[in-house]
Amino acid sequence: KQEVTQIPAALSVPEGENLVLNCSFTDSAIYNLQWFRQDPGKGLTSLLLIQSSQREQTSGRLNASLDKSSGRSTLYIAASQPGDSATYLCAVTASNTGKLIFGQGTTLQVKP
Amino acid sequence: IAGITQAPTSQILAAGRRMTLRCTQDMRHNAMYWYRQDLGLGLRLIHYSNTAGTTGKGEVPDGYSVSRANTDDFPLTLASAVPSQTSVYFCASSLDGNQPQHFGDGTRLSIL
Repeated sequence: KQEVTQIPAALSVPEGENLVLNCSFTDSAIYNLQWFRQDPGKGLTSLLLIQSSQREQTSGRLNASLDKSSGRSTLYIAASQPGDSATYLCAVTASNTGKLIFGQGTTLQVKP
Repeated sequence: IAGITQAPTSQILAAGRRMTLRCTQDMRHNAMYWYRQDLGLGLRLIHYSNTAGTTGKGEVPDGYSVSRANTDDFPLTLASAVPSQTSVYFCASSLDGNQPQHFGDGTRLSIL
């Protein structure tokens, strides 16, 4: 059974710092991996989707990498801002049905 | 504004009652999903539909049913609510199973 783990559960950094969020999964037979952001009391916002054949995806200050063989993904946030404060979730799917298995997230606080 | 609409926003329900959570999307997405989010357990898939007229079971389908009569609507029904179904329920959609998922703002359901 696929399990997704995100460490640490919470992270606090000063504004301007570059940071890395980690995601690991137990079964390397994934179809794609997605990173989401969730603000308190809100739904999830998709940040990046990496296909199993890709190594990384970039969007603005965000860069996500995927190492399928080792079961790891990282989300790199450059020059963090207080507005980046949120919970970040990664999720994987083993097929093209979109059935996502989620990690429990990393709650990020960026202090001004 | 294009997106996903969930209703109601919140609900308190007596155990044993029947309840239908509504989800409508106007993005003409083929795939739709229902998740529940619980503290300590994260997001878990309840049911999904890859196209109108078809549905499938997710990770935690027991006690829930869905239908997909058309592209836009994907209601989730609790036939006889139990306290363990107290949760935040999120509906999501994607163009297909290999595309980013878009989430609604959730329904907060309390079963007493």
